[in-house]
Amino acid sequence: DIQLTQSPTFLSASVGDRVTITCRASQAISSFVAWYQQKPGRAPKLLIYAASTLHSGVPFRFSGSGSGTESTLTISSLQPEDFATYYCQQVHSDPITFGQGTRLEIK
Amino acid sequence: QVQLLESGGGVVQPGTSLRLSCVASGFTFTSFGMHWVRQAPGKGLEWVALVSNDGKNTHYADSVRGRFTISRDDSENTLYLQMSSLRPEDTAFYYCAKQMGGWYNDYWGRGTLVTVSS
Repeated sequence: DIQLTQSPTFLSASVGDRVTITCRASQAISSFVAWYQQKPGRAPKLLIYAASTLHSGVPFRFSGSGSGTESTLTISSLQPEDFATYYCQQVHSDPITFGQGTRLEIK
Repeated sequence: QVQLLESGGGVVQPGTSLRLSCVASGFTFTSFGMHWVRQAPGKGLEWVALVSNDGKNTHYADSVRGRFTISRDDSENTLYLQMSSLRPEDTAFYYCAKQMGGWYNDYWGRGTLVTVSS
């Protein structure tokens, strides 16, 4: 199985900050990566798929990049509604796996 | 708009069975694969299973293979997860999720809680 390791696991930042979350895979997964946002008590929401394609309706301050074994999610200017937990997902190989999550909190 | 509504969760004893349902609306159900993803309380996401749009192909996480069965009834726009030999570690919120191109999940239900406890 492909293991995904996100870093950091916890991030404290302020409104307006630029933040980057990294997802490292135990083997090459090309660009078969998605990023999800989850708020407490809510279902996850798709932000980015195929490493860098923004899902419909997602603000442009979210962006993704990467290939091979490393992918990144960047939020260019944090808004109050962005404080949540973020997960990466690989769909390169069965079984599908998720990273352990990155909790983004207000400083 | 796309809606996914899970049901069937509850409190069950270890070793017993339970069937979850997910009623889909707002899209052509037969055109898309469907997934189950779970989340233990306070923990991260764990993919469970997927079924192809035509129901012919299924995939499972190692942790549930042989115990869980994913299926779909296209006449009812409903996805199922039949769970047997339940274990305490199966306790989680179970989400159904619509597949888009590739195996990504573009829409998710609100989840149903399964608690396995004696």
